[in-house]
Amino acid sequence: GENVEQHPSTLSVQEGDSAVIKCTYSDSASNYFPWYKQELGKRPQLIIDIRSNVGEKKDQRIAVTLNKTAKHFSLHITETQPEDSAVYFCAASMGNAGGTSYGKLTFGQGTILTVHP
Amino acid sequence: GAGVSQSPSNKVTEKGKDVELRCDPISGHTALYWYRQRLGQGLEFLIYFQGNSAPDKSGLPSDRFSAERTGESVSTLTIQRTQQEDSAVYLCASSRTSRGGSGELFFGEGSRLTVL
Repeated sequence: GENVEQHPSTLSVQEGDSAVIKCTYSDSASNYFPWYKQELGKRPQLIIDIRSNVGEKKDQRIAVTLNKTAKHFSLHITETQPEDSAVYFCAASMGNAGGTSYGKLTFGQGTILTVHP
Repeated sequence: GAGVSQSPSNKVTEKGKDVELRCDPISGHTALYWYRQRLGQGLEFLIYFQGNSAPDKSGLPSDRFSAERTGESVSTLTIQRTQQEDSAVYLCASSRTSRGGSGELFFGEGSRLTVL
């Protein structure tokens, strides 16, 4: 089955700096790669996702890049703010043409991001 | 309701007892998922339901775990003869599924299970 490795496990940055979190996956058939943010004691929430037919996607201060050949994808947060402090999870799945099974995700172990004011 | 609702929010039980966790998905979401999150860990897929299709049970860790869903409504996750290693937060999520649509999962707040 799929295996997703995530690094680093903890990341500490100063407000305004950039933060990068990297993930690798093992199953070349995976075609959907979301990132979830989980604040302390809260539910995970999707912040950005990318499909395998796209190499990069941006949404304001957040971007995700995908290298299918190397089977790795990364989350980039620019101009970090204290409210970005949370646990970030990458994930991978193999969605089918009918739109089902995208949600059957294999998650990484998470990265605790701390942004110091 | 506006979001995914789970109950109970907290459950403390003794080893060997059975527990039942409930999930009420967002209205109109055809897919429903159960995940487990152990302390400080990522989420582990357990089972998912898609409409009236047979559920994908490939993530259930043992035959002590089972889940049901009636149509596109409430789901219950049952853990029989609980063990201490079952202690975790059990997260339910729902999503709309459509050809080429978003795969976004909407999670509930979770049910925190502690087995003594």
